[in-house]
Amino acid sequence: QQQVKQSPQSLIVQKGGISIINCAYENTAFDYFPWYQQFPGKGPALLIAIRPDVSEKKEGRFTISFNKSAKQFSLHIMDSQPGDSATYFCAASRRSGQNFVFGPGTRLSVLP
Amino acid sequence: ETGVTQSPTHLIKTRGQQVTLRCSSQSGHNTVSWYQQALGQGPQFIFQYYREEENGRGNFPPRFSGLQFPNYSSELNVNALELDDSALYLCASSPYQTQETQYFGPGTRLLVL
Repeated sequence: QQQVKQSPQSLIVQKGGISIINCAYENTAFDYFPWYQQFPGKGPALLIAIRPDVSEKKEGRFTISFNKSAKQFSLHIMDSQPGDSATYFCAASRRSGQNFVFGPGTRLSVLP
Repeated sequence: ETGVTQSPTHLIKTRGQQVTLRCSSQSGHNTVSWYQQALGQGPQFIFQYYREEENGRGNFPPRFSGLQFPNYSSELNVNALELDDSALYLCASSPYQTQETQYFGPGTRLLVL
């Protein structure tokens, strides 16, 4: 019930393409869904987050789509750039921030 | 505004030893959470501290303990180190009003031999 599944495990995209990463959760008590970006040797950096009262949130080239009934959410990176090459983690939490649950990560490589 | 800082950056210990990792939270943040990130995996929640009290705990044994100080900085202590404790230990801070908005430090990489 606490697990967050994430796919694909790795993704290779050409520069300018769209990168799509999908996540699914089980615990309906979760009400906060962030995405984090992590570069090698660094801590995760908050990229964008969504709450279940909206179905989509866009910030620059990054968009979260949220499907409450399917218990799924996804990250879309438009116009992907080589600098976006990193590992991306989805996560789920209650608003208290306790027991944050992370997905296993997706390693994105954007080819120049 | 200073971000989350952690020390040391790297540490090597032997099995059975004890270790203390330190974290300074971001200015204005009064909640600190600790995570363990094994190589190639997502971070796993260890525990959260608010007002110097443990405010939630993940599935980690009691030999993982912590402290939060009046200036909101925090320590993670691990006793009786095991080989599987080798990982990147991350600290994240957040303001109480939005405890779910967590900002991570760079981590401490612990190697247990």
